[in-house]
Amino acid sequence: KQEVTQIPAALSVPEGENLVLNCSFTDSAIYNLQWFRQDPGKGLTSLLLIQSSQREQTSGRLNASLDKSSGRSTLYIAASQPGDSATYLCASNTGNQFYFGTGTSLTVIP
Amino acid sequence: SAVISQKPSRDICQRGTSLTIQCQVDSQVTMMFWYRQQPGQSLTLIATANQGSEATYESGFVIDKFPISRPNLTFSTLTVSNMSPEDSSIYLCSAYPRGEVTGELFFGEGSRLTVL
Repeated sequence: KQEVTQIPAALSVPEGENLVLNCSFTDSAIYNLQWFRQDPGKGLTSLLLIQSSQREQTSGRLNASLDKSSGRSTLYIAASQPGDSATYLCASNTGNQFYFGTGTSLTVIP
Repeated sequence: SAVISQKPSRDICQRGTSLTIQCQVDSQVTMMFWYRQQPGQSLTLIATANQGSEATYESGFVIDKFPISRPNLTFSTLTVSNMSPEDSSIYLCSAYPRGEVTGELFFGEGSRLTVL
């Protein structure tokens, strides 16, 4: 069974800093990997989707990379803002099911 | 993309009662899923809602406790039956765009249930 781990579990940074969130998965046979944002008590908002054949995807200040062979993905957030404060989850798609990490809770301090 | 609406967004329920959560997608989708997120935890898949047939449940989840309907390609319901405080969670509906096996997964806004 696929296991997805996210490190760190929580992160607090001052506004304006660049930061990296990490996601690792045990089974490299994935279709894609997706990053989500979740605000407290709410649903998940899709941020970036990386197909298994891709190395990275970018959207605005967000850049996600994928290294399938090592079972790792990173989400890079540039010039962080207080509005970026949320929990960030990664999920790997094995074709049969999505497996979610436990998330990184990010706080950006003004 | 797909826009997914869930209702209710939140509810407070009494022990022993049942609640039905509705999920509406703005386009036809092949696959719909129901997840549970217990406090402080990540998402756990409850079942895949199959159009025109019985839902496919994951280990640890049974139809008597979580009956699911999927009458068409845009709508599904999840009922949480005979609720106990352990059922207090966020329940999330998600959908997979039609024909896109490697496509993006979209979520509704979630239904936050508190059972007293």
